[in-house]
Amino acid sequence: AQKITQTQPGMFVQEKEAVTLDCTYDTSDPSYGLFWYKQPSSGEMIFLIYQGSYDQQNATEGRYSLNFQKARKSANLVISASQLGDSAMYFCAMREGPLRGFGNQFYFGTGTSLTVIP
Amino acid sequence: EPEVTQTPSHQVTQMGQEVILRCVPISNHLYFYWYRQILGQKVEFLVSFYNNEISEKSEIFDDQFSVERPDGSNFTLKIRSTKLEDSAMYFCASSEGPGLAGPERGFDEQFFGPGTRLTVL
Repeated sequence: AQKITQTQPGMFVQEKEAVTLDCTYDTSDPSYGLFWYKQPSSGEMIFLIYQGSYDQQNATEGRYSLNFQKARKSANLVISASQLGDSAMYFCAMREGPLRGFGNQFYFGTGTSLTVIP
Repeated sequence: EPEVTQTPSHQVTQMGQEVILRCVPISNHLYFYWYRQILGQKVEFLVSFYNNEISEKSEIFDDQFSVERPDGSNFTLKIRSTKLEDSAMYFCASSEGPGLAGPERGFDEQFFGPGTRLTVL
């Protein structure tokens, strides 16, 4: 089974609107971390937001928030007030193991290509 | 702001040749990683490295791959005899490791470099 599933290969959103990018995960480990990365056309991977499996609150970082539904094993990224610069590939990733998980690999999803329309 | 750097940005090689991809992790980081991304596909883990040895590796990381920290700053990925299917973007990443991020930091973020695009002809 896939560790991370992103079912939306491409998404479009109007500038200034909010958009939700879906991510579901599969793990039997009670300790895990969920990450979202942005990959612009230039290719670099930019960290956006993190959610730990034991975190009680949904993570927020500026215009990014993570809708964490543990029972459903989903960790959707919400981008509010979309900007043209948000156009990029977005990857959901998971790391299993201890809370800090040093050295543990990241499992990545296939990504969602987001296009912000002016 | 400290960052992970990678050289070269683009490497073109003939099938069967050896290549070495270079990375300079963030200076106080202790864990280092290599990932690859075949064009249009997801990012895949290759290997993690700590205290001068491999701590975890994936099925992709077979005998043709090796990693090394030859000095205090560089972290290299060597592909001994490249194949066409090795063409991909290779990302290096590093993370702080235990005891450095502080108790308020609940996670260990991996900082990614800009990648090296490897093209095997």
